[in-house]
Amino acid sequence: AQSVTQPDIHITVSEGASLELRCNYSYGATPYLFWYVQSPGQGLQLLLKYFSGDTLVQGIKGFEAEFKRSQSSFNLRKPSVHWSDAAEYFCAVESGGGADGLTFGKGTHLIIQP
Amino acid sequence: NAGVTQTPKFQVLKTGQSMTLQCAQDMNHEYMSWYRQDPGMGLRLIHYSVGAGITDQGEVPNGYNVSRSTTEDFPLRLLSAAPSQTSVYFCASSSGRQNTEAFFGQGTRLTVV
Repeated sequence: AQSVTQPDIHITVSEGASLELRCNYSYGATPYLFWYVQSPGQGLQLLLKYFSGDTLVQGIKGFEAEFKRSQSSFNLRKPSVHWSDAAEYFCAVESGGGADGLTFGKGTHLIIQP
Repeated sequence: NAGVTQTPKFQVLKTGQSMTLQCAQDMNHEYMSWYRQDPGMGLRLIHYSVGAGITDQGEVPNGYNVSRSTTEDFPLRLLSAAPSQTSVYFCASSSGRQNTEAFFGQGTRLTVV
């Protein structure tokens, strides 16, 4: 069965500093990988996705993520965070086509210090 | 372009009551699914469907029923609500084609007292 681990429950970063959120997955074949963001009381917004090809993927809001097969990781990065980036971030994996749904990590809560 | 629409947005139930959470999509997607979100647990799959007339259980199906009589709709039924079902529920749909992502509704916040 596939699984996703987000090791950091909370991360605090100063505004303007760089950010890296960790995600490790367990999946037998080539995974489809996603990062979602959820602001308080809101739904899920897709930041970026990896299906195949270039292992460095660009997303919205200045985020990027790198797929490293050897480390089973898909870490999310941003060079300079803004106060509006404070939110819950979820990494997710699915099998090709998504027939049996997504498996999510438990999330990382990002706090931005002024 | 509505996308995935969930109703209601908020609901309070008494223990033992039944209700149906509605989910509709207008993108002609074959795949639909229901998740629940609990603090510190991320989102967990309840039930999913790969097309009209076909449903299957996810990670946490107990206490929930689903049916898929049309491509557009995928209602989630709670037959006898329990406080443990207090959660935020999300519906999602996807086309099922390669290299496409799921689209999520805005969620239903359910409280069972």
